[in-house]
Amino acid sequence: AQSVAQPEDQVNVAEGNPLTVKCTYSVSGNPYLFWYVQYPNRGLQFLLKYITGDNLVKGSYGFEAEFNKSQTSFHLKKPSALVSDSALYFCAVRDKGGSYIPTFGRGTSLIVHP
Amino acid sequence: ETGVTQSPTHLIKTRGQQVTLRCSSQSGHNTVSWYQQALGQGPQFIFQYYREEENGRGNFPPRFSGLQFPNYSSELNVNALELDDSALYLCASSLGTLSSYEQYFGPGTRLTVT
Repeated sequence: AQSVAQPEDQVNVAEGNPLTVKCTYSVSGNPYLFWYVQYPNRGLQFLLKYITGDNLVKGSYGFEAEFNKSQTSFHLKKPSALVSDSALYFCAVRDKGGSYIPTFGRGTSLIVHP
Repeated sequence: ETGVTQSPTHLIKTRGQQVTLRCSSQSGHNTVSWYQQALGQGPQFIFQYYREEENGRGNFPPRFSGLQFPNYSSELNVNALELDDSALYLCASSLGTLSSYEQYFGPGTRLTVT
């Protein structure tokens, strides 16, 4: 069975500092990996995905994520955090060769302090 | 903002009642998925509809059922409501059923069962 772990319930960072939100996954085959963001009282919004190719994926709003197959990780990063980045972030995985049903992590609350 | 809309925004029902939630997918998207997001959790996949047929289901009982219409809009029906059904219900549309496709989420319907 596939799974996603987001080991931190909350990440705190000062505005202007780099941020990292961690995600590790488990699938039987090769993964498709996704990051979504959820603002209060809103649905999830797609940020970026890894399908194949370059391990560093660039997405919306200056976010990027690095796929690391040996560590089964897909951490979300941004070089300089904004207060407006404060939200709930979800990592999701699908098995490329298996079920297309996605599994989401429990989410990480990112708080960017002015 | 995505082009996915959901109605109603909020709903309060009594245990044992039935509820219907509605979703209008983004233009050009023929695939709709429904998710249940309990407080403090990531979205849990309920089922997916493609061209008016259910083509995948998560670990939810048969009292959760759905429909997709020719215009690709969709309904989620829940019978015999239980207290644990209280959650945010999210609808997501995508270009197709391929696992590599990202999903576009609506704002959700907050269901409270008393």
